[in-house]
Amino acid sequence: NAGVTQTPKFQVLKTGQSMTLQCAQDMNHEYMSWYRQDPGMGLRLIHYSVGAGITDQGEVPNGYNVSRSTTEDFPLRLLSAAPSQTSVYFCASSLGVPGSYNEQFFGPGTRLTVL
Amino acid sequence: SQKIEQNSEALNIQEGKTATLTCNYTNYSPAYLQWYRQDPGRGPVFLLLIRENEKEKRKERLKVTFDTTLKQSLFHITASQPADSATYLCASLDTGRRALTFGSGTRLQVQP
Repeated sequence: NAGVTQTPKFQVLKTGQSMTLQCAQDMNHEYMSWYRQDPGMGLRLIHYSVGAGITDQGEVPNGYNVSRSTTEDFPLRLLSAAPSQTSVYFCASSLGVPGSYNEQFFGPGTRLTVL
Repeated sequence: SQKIEQNSEALNIQEGKTATLTCNYTNYSPAYLQWYRQDPGRGPVFLLLIRENEKEKRKERLKVTFDTTLKQSLFHITASQPADSATYLCASLDTGRRALTFGSGTRLQVQP
């Protein structure tokens, strides 16, 4: 199993550009989520999905869109990039809602810089 | 919503000593706490979980405790090694959302 994969690993955007961060998992996990990690801020939840066709907002959803058309994929779209979106983005998945029986598996991250 | 607090200052210890990291939570007592390890440039990796009704959990050189009175979990690494150097994150379920809330992590540096 490849686990959770993310592409690209690095990306530089100009303010106002749009792009999609890709995330895929091959573990047949129902639950997937996106986090951003900034120095001193820890991991902050952007969006999450409890299954195909179901998504919900996390702590910092503004400026980001998600969709979940398949169990395997959970892309994160930046609509109009801003310098405040410069961060490291992590995708994660688990069998079900993270709980006392479901650990989260994280991807390697995408480092995004917005100029 | 739940808030998870970890000491943002790095912890420096000598090889062979026991490292102790603290995780405090505010508001309601979580049903469980999860601990993750994160190496530079990588995603977090799950280490241990402790439930509310468990006082202590062990896995090899790792030990986690859960004190609902103090609203605190302690994470211990015994006989620490330089390879244990990493950032350690504490997390619990945010019942307002069906998602984990993470602390900002504590960086551990083990000196040889």
